[in-house]
Amino acid sequence: DVKVTQSSRYLVKRTGEKVFLECVQDMDHENMFWYRQDPGLGLRLIYFSYDVKMKEKGDIPEGYSVSREKKERFSLILESASTNQTSMYLCASSLLGDTQYFGPGTRLTVL
Amino acid sequence: DQQVKQNSPSLSVQEGRISILNCDYTNSMFDYFLWYKKYPAEGPTFLISISSIKDKNEDGRFTVFLNKSAKHLSLHIVPSQPGDSAVYFCAASEDSNYQLIWGAGTKLIIKP
Repeated sequence: DVKVTQSSRYLVKRTGEKVFLECVQDMDHENMFWYRQDPGLGLRLIYFSYDVKMKEKGDIPEGYSVSREKKERFSLILESASTNQTSMYLCASSLLGDTQYFGPGTRLTVL
Repeated sequence: DQQVKQNSPSLSVQEGRISILNCDYTNSMFDYFLWYKKYPAEGPTFLISISSIKDKNEDGRFTVFLNKSAKHLSLHIVPSQPGDSAVYFCAASEDSNYQLIWGAGTKLIIKP
């Protein structure tokens, strides 16, 4: 079974703080993704990576950056958190262009 | 421009009856379609998929139908159970593209 883990289930940060969200997958998948999910908006892609050290912008990359130094790990960074980044953050991985497998999500609140 | 649309934000169905969730798409290049189920405070879990070379795929209580000419797919759940109450997302992809394009989701409520 594919296992995707995320570093925190719940996180509370203050405006202006730097925030790191970590994601690890154990299935040697090539592709990894970061989404945010907001009510009524579905899943919106922030960034994705199809190989180590490679990254591509998704639909809403502004205010975020990512890092993929190892195949199994994909980090999402909020350089200076803002209240409009309060959301559910979901990490996923996939082999090629196939089914994506998700982690449990991180509920981030920015005060 | 929303390429994948789920026009019903919510749907309420009696336990034991059929639940039908709908999804429309605009991109004729999509060739792979998936349904995911999501409980609150959890990540989405893969439910069922269908390739564009098929018009139906079945897995237990779940069946997905694809009508390519209408650019429409639907998920049928029979019989509906209380544990099926969740948000359902449809997603689509083009061959050789890493990304999935997602609908906004439909919240399914199964009434006892």
